[in-house]
Formats: sequence, C-alpha cells, structure tokens
Amino acid sequence: NAGVTQTPKFQVLKTGQSMTLQCAQDMNHEYMSWYRQDPGMGLRLIHYSVGAGITDQGEVPNGYNVSRSTTEDFPLRLLSAAPSQTSVYFCASSHRQDQETQYFGPGTRLLVL
Amino acid sequence: DAKTTQPPSMDCAEGRAANLPCNHSTISGNEYVYWYRQIHSQGPQYIIHGLKNNETNEMASLIITEDRKSSTLILPHATLRDTAVYYCIVIKGGGSNYKLTFGKGTLLTVNP
Repeated sequence: NAGVTQTPKFQVLKTGQSMTLQCAQDMNHEYMSWYRQDPGMGLRLIHYSVGAGITDQGEVPNGYNVSRSTTEDFPLRLLSAAPSQTSVYFCASSHRQDQETQYFGPGTRLLVL
Repeated sequence: DAKTTQPPSMDCAEGRAANLPCNHSTISGNEYVYWYRQIHSQGPQYIIHGLKNNETNEMASLIITEDRKSSTLILPHATLRDTAVYYCIVIKGGGSNYKLTFGKGTLLTVNP
C-alpha cells in the first residue's frame, strides 16, 4: 500500500493564481481531511469528508474548496491564492469507525508570493 | 476535549529508553489518550492510544496512571530516527471525532 500520497511536494504561486493540491489514499478509508500547519502553530483543520459525495468545513475553510467524487481522492482547491495561504498542507485519512487514528500524507509546501 | 500539558523539550541518549510525560488532569471517563509524532518536515504519525490500561505495540508503550490524570509514552530503545515532536492528545473515542487538536508537543532529541 502506498498509504496517503500528496502532490505536488512543493509549489510556488503568485497572488491571485489558483491551483489544486492532490491527495489520494489506497486504504479504502471513508474519512479524509486537509490540515494546514504554520510555523510555531499546530495543525488546523481546513475541510473534511466522511465519504464520497460528503464534505464539510473545518476551522479555517475560507479560500479553499474541496470535493469528494471517489473514496480514494480528496483534492483541495485554492481559488485565488493569497500570501496568508503560505503553509504546509497535510492530507489525512482514517476508517469511519476509528477517525481518531489518522494516517497523514507527506505534505505539500506552498509558497504564495 | 481535555487539555494536555507536555514539556517543551527533552533529550535522550541513543539506545536508552525515552519517557515522555503528559498531564491531562481534566480527562473525562470516555476520553482516550492518543500519541502522535511528527518527524521534521514529515506528516504526523500515529503511535499508540489507550483508555485505562497500559498498551504496547511495535513502536512504543503507553502507561496511564490509575487516576488517568497523566500518562507516559515510552520508546524502549530510542534511535536517532526517533528525534521528533511528540503530541499527546486527549479525545473522545469511538470513531466520532474527525478533528485532532495538536498542541505544541514535546521535541525529543535523541543524541548519539
């Protein structure tokens, strides 16, 4: 199993550009989520999904969109990038019955100029 | 979810046991203790969790005091690759919690 994979590993954007961060898992996990981690701060939940076709907002959803058309994939879209979105983004997945045990991807480092 | 308190940093010699403490004096009866770690520049990694009894797996052991107000994560033979930030998280179990709240954790440095 590849586990949770994320692409790209690193991205530089200009203010106002849009892009999609990809996340995929091959563990047949129902639950997937996106976190961001800023220097000196803990991980903050952006969006999450409990299954295909179902998404919901976390604590910092503004400026981000998600969709869940398949169990395996959970892309995160930045609509119009801002410097405040410079961060490291982590995707995670887990079984619905054990959402507390989450498996994280390697992260995407995003720099918005 | 109960608040946790961890020391900001600890050192350990390679090959020795690393004992990482966590205080959670306001823990409720249905809350579990979860431990994750984050090696530099990597995603967090689940280590172990427990409710009342001590737990052991291939990575670590978790000792929870009888009153459940504190716990200790034990890495029996620390290696340089165990250098990481370790997070103690107290959370209701049962598959109903989608959000993990990571505090500042403990930076464990394993020295050669």
